[in-house]
Amino acid sequence: EDKVVQSPLSLVVHEGDTVTLNCSYEVTNFRSLLWYKQEKKAPTFLFMLTSSGIEKKSGRLSSILDKKELFSILNITATQTGDSAVYLCAVGSPNFGNEKLTFGTGTRLTIIP
Amino acid sequence: EPEVTQTPSHQVTQMGQEVILRCVPISNHLYFYWYRQILGQKVEFLVSFYNNEISEKSEIFDDQFSVERPDGSNFTLKIRSTKLEDSAMYFCASSGTGFGQPQHFGDGTRLSIL
Repeated sequence: EDKVVQSPLSLVVHEGDTVTLNCSYEVTNFRSLLWYKQEKKAPTFLFMLTSSGIEKKSGRLSSILDKKELFSILNITATQTGDSAVYLCAVGSPNFGNEKLTFGTGTRLTIIP
Repeated sequence: EPEVTQTPSHQVTQMGQEVILRCVPISNHLYFYWYRQILGQKVEFLVSFYNNEISEKSEIFDDQFSVERPDGSNFTLKIRSTKLEDSAMYFCASSGTGFGQPQHFGDGTRLSIL
């Protein structure tokens, strides 16, 4: 059975701190790893990673994938209260162009002003 | 920015009734998905759909569930005879024209079965 494990489950930090969120996976058929931010409703796409060792960056957020060790990290520097959310990691398994996503339980990040 | 839209935002239904959840995917996307999230649990894959047929479905997606693309814009999930355990948030997602395209999610429909 495909499995995605995120840690920590919950994290509370002060504004301005840097955080690292972890995601490890065991899937039969891997194509991509995705990070989403979920506030109240829809998971909002952050990054899609397919190759090992190549960092993807968007502002204060960055992510990297290690396909040998089967994990990814999401870093957020200089955190702001607007970063408070659940961060979801998902692994995509291909099927004729479709890609079934297997999600982790998420990390709930709370930023204290 | 184009987005996936879902209606209704909240549906309350008696057990045993049929429900139809509606989604309008992003207009040039070709791959469509339904996921569900039971309160406090992970987001779970239900079904993927391409070229007017199901590509893959999970064990959750039994005979009580069906999907349809009745016209060029809508994508629907029907549950024929709802059970209490169908209560969940249902998310529709779509992705673009080829490999390596991320899925974009709608805001979800919260389904409550009484």
